[in-house]
Amino acid sequence: DADVTQTPRNRITKTGKRIMLECSQTKGHDRMYWYRQDPGLGLRLIYYSFDVKDINKGEISDGYSVSRQAQAKFSLSLESAIPNQTALYFCATSDPGTSLGVVFGPGTRLTVT
Amino acid sequence: ELKVEQNPLFLSMQEGKNYTIYCNYSTTSDRLYWYRQDPGKSLESLFVLLSNGAVKQEGRLMASLDTKARLSTLHITAAVHDLSATYFCAVDRTTSGTYKYIFGTGTRLKVLA
Repeated sequence: DADVTQTPRNRITKTGKRIMLECSQTKGHDRMYWYRQDPGLGLRLIYYSFDVKDINKGEISDGYSVSRQAQAKFSLSLESAIPNQTALYFCATSDPGTSLGVVFGPGTRLTVT
Repeated sequence: ELKVEQNPLFLSMQEGKNYTIYCNYSTTSDRLYWYRQDPGKSLESLFVLLSNGAVKQEGRLMASLDTKARLSTLHITAAVHDLSATYFCAVDRTTSGTYKYIFGTGTRLKVLA
């Protein structure tokens, strides 16, 4: 089984709809992240969480919210989706004790029409 | 604010040629990471550089880090088609003892046969 899983893998939704992207990890890491990828813009950090009670905004948090339900689960919500939120979304985890960087999930391709 | 810049953004090269991708970052950072992304796929870790002067090599790729110049390079030797991918560098940002990963915009490499 994959270390980091994301659901759904693909989603098409309409403007104004609420949508939740889910992430689960089996690596036992405390730290989890949500990134957004757009062509030519690289990966931009949306939110990050260093444990269940510690959630922080990243570079582009406006229009997004997150929930850390457990050490292994970190979900990203778009309360009212808009077309410019169409992107590829990645969840990632890290273990600072190992200095190995982040481990990424497979990504969720979201299209807002 | 930490900025991570890569150049070139796009690189088209012939098989057998050598080339270097550059990653500059704007503030002091402890570590630098290189990732590879194949089209439609997630990111996978290539190299972890943990100190000034660090050099890592894997096959035709070699990465180095100069923390004083805030510069990392990814050198490609005798390119082959299989190296075609997008390459990202990322930097740990240390803020009051916390870490988050900031990524560059990526370099899309296309190796022509």
